[in-house]
Amino acid sequence: DIVMTQSPDSLAVPLGERATVNCKSSQSVFYNSNNKNSLAWYQQKPGQPPKMLIYWASTRKSGVPDRFSGSGSGTDFTLTISSLQAEDVAVYYCLQYYGTHWTFGQGTKVEIK
Amino acid sequence: QVQLVQSGAEVKKPGASVKVSCKASGYTFTDYYIHWVRQAPGQGLEWMGWINPNSGDTNYAQNFQGRVAMTRDTSISTAYMELNRLRSDDTAVYFCASLLRADGMDVWGHGTTVTVSS
Repeated sequence: DIVMTQSPDSLAVPLGERATVNCKSSQSVFYNSNNKNSLAWYQQKPGQPPKMLIYWASTRKSGVPDRFSGSGSGTDFTLTISSLQAEDVAVYYCLQYYGTHWTFGQGTKVEIK
Repeated sequence: QVQLVQSGAEVKKPGASVKVSCKASGYTFTDYYIHWVRQAPGQGLEWMGWINPNSGDTNYAQNFQGRVAMTRDTSISTAYMELNRLRSDDTAVYFCASLLRADGMDVWGHGTTVTVSS
């Protein structure tokens, strides 16, 4: 199975500053057939199910604020929150859906500094 | 509206089985796979597998093969996840979800807490 490794495990960023979460896959998740990376980003707040933010590595889901963006290709991906807001405090997960078996990263906790 | 409603919390003894249900509404049940994801207390998300409600085909994560069974009843738009030979480390919240749909939606159930304790 593809192993997803996120870094850092946690980070604290001042309000209004940029937050960056990284995700690395043990093998490429790039689909030659559609030229897309099978990588999604989820946000989870305490007591709630996860909420999808980004799919195909860089496509923002409808309704997601544009301060959230995804980038990367192949095995290395990044979720960027351009200006951290109080409501963005959460745990963020990457998910690969390339392999037969999907896998999540271990999560990155984002807090306010 | 589109939603997945799960069955209530369960408490089981080690070695027992648990069966969690997930009822879909607001869309055609057979159009989208149902995934199961679990989350142990204070831990991350773990993908367990999916079922194709149209065909009944399943795909299980290696960690659960031989111990999990995902089924569905199309007449009542409900998917089921049964986990056997429960251990204490199976204590978790179990989510059903309709993920990365072609219609742009990503729908999760509210989660079912399963506690395994002697």
